[in-house]
Amino acid sequence: KAGVTQTPRYLIKTRGQQVTLSCSPISGHRSVSWYQQTPGQGLQFLFEYFSETQRNKGNFPGRFSGRQFSNSRSEMNVSTLELGDSALYLCASSLGPGQQNGYTFGSGTRLTVV
Amino acid sequence: KNEVEQSPQNLTAQEGEFITINCSYSVGISALHWLQQHPGGGIVSLFMLSSGKKKHGRLIATINIQEKHSSLHITASHPRDSAVYICARGMGSQGNLIFGKGTKLSVKP
Repeated sequence: KAGVTQTPRYLIKTRGQQVTLSCSPISGHRSVSWYQQTPGQGLQFLFEYFSETQRNKGNFPGRFSGRQFSNSRSEMNVSTLELGDSALYLCASSLGPGQQNGYTFGSGTRLTVV
Repeated sequence: KNEVEQSPQNLTAQEGEFITINCSYSVGISALHWLQQHPGGGIVSLFMLSSGKKKHGRLIATINIQEKHSSLHITASHPRDSAVYICARGMGSQGNLIFGKGTKLSVKP
């Protein structure tokens, strides 16, 4: 069965622009979580969605937002991009929220802000 | 101080060696995850455990809840095991994870 698909794989944007990243979970998985990975901060939790509802949000500014659609696909949006937003953005899907379900990660979207 | 501490940060081993990576956390958890990240970025979930020990092939993960400590062992290491290994703690019904900084493993032939 298909894994978690993230698009695009690579993206270059200019400061001040906005960007939308997409994550398609494994079929049947209804929970999607998003993470940011930078060399300085490592992996950090952004937010988690289940049944089109945001369940948890990490400590990121309001410029970072997301949503989940009825088919469980999720998008995250970053507005007014800053150089520090350059990172690898990963999503992971699971059957449902909570630690009893394992996570499957996508390959990530590498965002470069210039 | 990061809630999840890993050691060592970097590890170089010869093929065939037994490898141990340690992870300590400062608050109670409901699950501890071990992840593997190869160059290029993709992450593979290796183990999720809340007690005892799990084994998959040459990989073994153990956890001691009382001591808030987990270890990942690799037996008969191979160059293809070269990767960054990351532990992460989860809490309750929350989907968020708190990650360690990772251990970069390099296995030489």
